[in-house]
Amino acid sequence: DTGVSQNPRHKITKRGQNVTFRCDPISEHNRLYWYRQTLGQGPEFLTYFQNEAQLEKSRLLSDRFSAERPKGSFSTLEIQRTEQGDSAMYLCASSFAQSNTEAFFGQGTRLTVV
Amino acid sequence: AQSVTQLDSQVPVFEEAPVELRCNYSSSVSVYLFWYVQYPNQGLQLLLKYLSGSTLVKGINGFEAEFNKSQTSFHLRKPSVHISDTAEYFCAVSDANTGNQFYFGTGTSLTVIP
Repeated sequence: DTGVSQNPRHKITKRGQNVTFRCDPISEHNRLYWYRQTLGQGPEFLTYFQNEAQLEKSRLLSDRFSAERPKGSFSTLEIQRTEQGDSAMYLCASSFAQSNTEAFFGQGTRLTVV
Repeated sequence: AQSVTQLDSQVPVFEEAPVELRCNYSSSVSVYLFWYVQYPNQGLQLLLKYLSGSTLVKGINGFEAEFNKSQTSFHLRKPSVHISDTAEYFCAVSDANTGNQFYFGTGTSLTVIP
């Protein structure tokens, strides 16, 4: 296993377009998290899944954002009608719920909305 | 909920000098504590973690941290830094009972000066 994988690494889109990011977690991990990080800030929690169930969503996650993990493996994060304020690094992480310890992060998808 | 404060946004230090990066947290429950490092345009890599037991925790790359419950602190230290330690460092906390999400500080940018 090569760790958490995120695609694409970079995405440039025009304002108003929809974008979708993919995250493939470490295979045996049942928890998957999405975070957003803007310049000079720490990662901010967006949402997390345990298996296929989305258990928690941040108030930061507007109705333009939706995340899925249909089979409890990979996850997608979609942003509809992108705005310039959505420009950020989107980080995915996974962990093993039973050990309840650290999360392993992917390299992130950098979104630029122009 | 938990929160993390990293008081120092930027720390310049000369090569081979010691460094301490400060982290304070607030929580009404038992916590796990973590330090992550982030290199430019990369995801987060775990340096070390405190779960229980000895309050002095050793991590990778010669870093260590000490958990102080009375002062609600988890400061990161290294006795002698290298140029390659130049990066962003994030302190994080999670609820030890649920581990539902990780709360991050705003980060400390460590610059090692040759």
